[in-house]
Amino acid sequence: QVQLQESGPGLVKPSGTLSLTCAVSGGSISSRNWWSWVRQPPGKGLEWIGEIYHSGGTNYNPTLKSRVTISVDKSKNQFSLNLRSVTAADTAVYYCARVALYSGSSPYFHYYMDVWGKGTTVTVSS
Amino acid sequence: DIQMTQSPSSLSASVGDRVTITCRANQSISMYLNWYQQKPGKAPILLIYAASRLQNGVPSRFSGSGSGADFTLTISSLRPEDFATYYCQQSYNTRTFGQGTKVEIK
Repeated sequence: QVQLQESGPGLVKPSGTLSLTCAVSGGSISSRNWWSWVRQPPGKGLEWIGEIYHSGGTNYNPTLKSRVTISVDKSKNQFSLNLRSVTAADTAVYYCARVALYSGSSPYFHYYMDVWGKGTTVTVSS
Repeated sequence: DIQMTQSPSSLSASVGDRVTITCRANQSISMYLNWYQQKPGKAPILLIYAASRLQNGVPSRFSGSGSGADFTLTISSLRPEDFATYYCQQSYNTRTFGQGTKVEIK
């Protein structure tokens, strides 16, 4: 059973870089899945940040794309998030998730997040 | 960008009630729509994918329907453990979540 665990600093200074890692256990990051980051500001809804495939292919939220890099380390079975130039608006719980694919009768795959980490709280403050 | 709008934003219901939550996209997304449940302080849980397919282990009282731009999540008979916030999410073009619907106890 695949499990995900986020880790990283809980406090980041404004204008700095937020860096988080998601460790994958019970399965391989090189499986036929994508791997995603989602965040949730306090008291607000979910915001998709981006996703990566083990080959290095990425998709990003257009509103965050200029500040975000998601990378994968197959040797450590983990993937990472870097968010640059952070402000207080980036304060949130950050989740990593596995993205499964389903084709059915569709010409394109359905992407859905079927396994989630517990989340880690990141506060941006001086 | 694809925007997702859920209605209502919150609702009050009793155990045993039939509950329906609506999700509307600002363009057609075929059936590229997923539903999640989130309880306070917990990570979201996948309920439905591809608009109507029930995720393994999810109770059959949950169902999803719709295609194009209009979708619904139905809970046929609300149980105490179903009080939570529900989110729709499109996967037609990148990914976008709805703003959430909070289901509260009446």
